[in-house]
Amino acid sequence: AQSVAQPEDQVNVAEGNPLTVKCTYSVSGNPYLFWYVQYPNRGLQFLLKYITGDNLVKGSYGFEAEFNKSQTSFHLKKPSALVSDSALYFCAVIGANNLFFGTGTRLTVIP
Amino acid sequence: DTGVSQNPRHKITKRGQNVTFRCDPISEHNRLYWYRQTLGQGPEFLTYFQNEAQLEKSRLLSDRFSAERPKGSFSTLEIQRTEQGDSAMYLCASSLGTSGSNEQFFGPGTRLTVL
Repeated sequence: AQSVAQPEDQVNVAEGNPLTVKCTYSVSGNPYLFWYVQYPNRGLQFLLKYITGDNLVKGSYGFEAEFNKSQTSFHLKKPSALVSDSALYFCAVIGANNLFFGTGTRLTVIP
Repeated sequence: DTGVSQNPRHKITKRGQNVTFRCDPISEHNRLYWYRQTLGQGPEFLTYFQNEAQLEKSRLLSDRFSAERPKGSFSTLEIQRTEQGDSAMYLCASSLGTSGSNEQFFGPGTRLTVL
């Protein structure tokens, strides 16, 4: 069965500092991994995905994620956090046809 | 705006009543998904359509739930005899193509409150 885990419910970071939101996965076969962001009263927005190829994936709004097969991780990163990055972030993995989401990490960027 | 739209955005109902939600996907997208999200949790898959065919249903989708996509465009999700445990955000998503690896685009959701 496919699953992802987000070990941190909450991440706080100062504006301008680098941020990392952690995700680990458990899959049978090759993982197709995604990051989504959810702002209040808005739908989930796609940030980036890893299917194959380079382990460093670049996405929207300056975010990137690093796929690490040996550690079964797919951490989301950004070199310099903005206050507007404060939101709920979800890691997800594809099952046969649908997404399996983690429980989410609330990122707060402190001015 | 050509994104995924959902109506209504909010629905309050009494236990035992039936409710129906509508999802309009991005026009050229042939896959349509329904998810449910409860507070503090990530979205959970309910069902998906490839064009008008409903190809998979989660075990979460009890007999009281039914989804349709009659013409391969918009979809409806009906919950019969609602229970308080049905209170959640119901999310619709759509994607292009036949591969599950294509990104899904989500609507704003319908928040259901069952009193």
